[in-house]
Amino acid sequence: KQEVTQIPAALSVPEGENLVLNCSFTDSAIYNLQWFRQDPGKGLTSLLLIQSSQREQTSGRLNASLDKSSGRSTLYIAASQPGDSATYLCAVSRSYNTDKLIFGTGTRLQVFP
Amino acid sequence: NAGVTQTPKFQVLKTGQSMTLQCAQDMNHEYMSWYRQDPGMGLRLIHYSVGAGITDQGEVPNGYNVSRSTTEDFPLRLLSAAPSQTSVYFCASSRAGGSLLVFGPGTRLTVL
Repeated sequence: KQEVTQIPAALSVPEGENLVLNCSFTDSAIYNLQWFRQDPGKGLTSLLLIQSSQREQTSGRLNASLDKSSGRSTLYIAASQPGDSATYLCAVSRSYNTDKLIFGTGTRLQVFP
Repeated sequence: NAGVTQTPKFQVLKTGQSMTLQCAQDMNHEYMSWYRQDPGMGLRLIHYSVGAGITDQGEVPNGYNVSRSTTEDFPLRLLSAAPSQTSVYFCASSRAGGSLLVFGPGTRLTVL
C-alpha cells in the first residue's frame, strides 16, 4: 500500500531564508506527483505537478524535484516571505486519473518577519 | 469562471440523518472526486468519476453515495450520518490525462 510521508510536520523560519520541504513515498510506481498549498480554513491550491518521467518543475520561487527510484520529492522555496506561511502537501498518483491521489499529512510552514 | 463550488459551507447533522453535499465545476473538466480531510490523517479519497455516468470507489467509500449525471455536477450523499463522518469534505476536478487538480473551498460537516 502506498504511503506518503512529509517531514518535518512543522517549520518556522525567518523571512528571506531558502528552505526545503521533503516528501517521501513507499511505492515508486507513480504516474505523477503534485505539491499543494493549503491556507487555514481554505481549500487546496495546486502549485506544481511533476510527471514520473520528469526530474523537476519550476514556478516562480518554487522548484519541485522528483527522484522516483528513491521515492522522494523536495519542494524548494527561495527567498521565503510571510505570505508563504501555509501548510504544504504532496500527493502521488498511480494512474492517468490524477484525481486518485494519495496525500501526505503536510508540513505547516510559518515564515516570520 | 467560478472554478469548483461547494455548498453548503457548514452543516450540522444528527446521527442517522441524510444529506447531500453539492459540488459543481464550470471548467468542463472530465474528472471529479471527493476527499475528506481529518486531523492527523491527511486527505483521503471517497469516490471519483472520470466522466458523466461513470463513478468508482476510492479509499473510504462506506456510508457515501455518488452519481454523475452531468459533466458539471458531482453530488455526495451521506446515507445515514454517523459521528465518524465529522470531517471537512473537498470536491476536486481536473482535465483528463494528467493536469493540475482544482479544489473547491470545502464543506465542514459535524455529526452529533
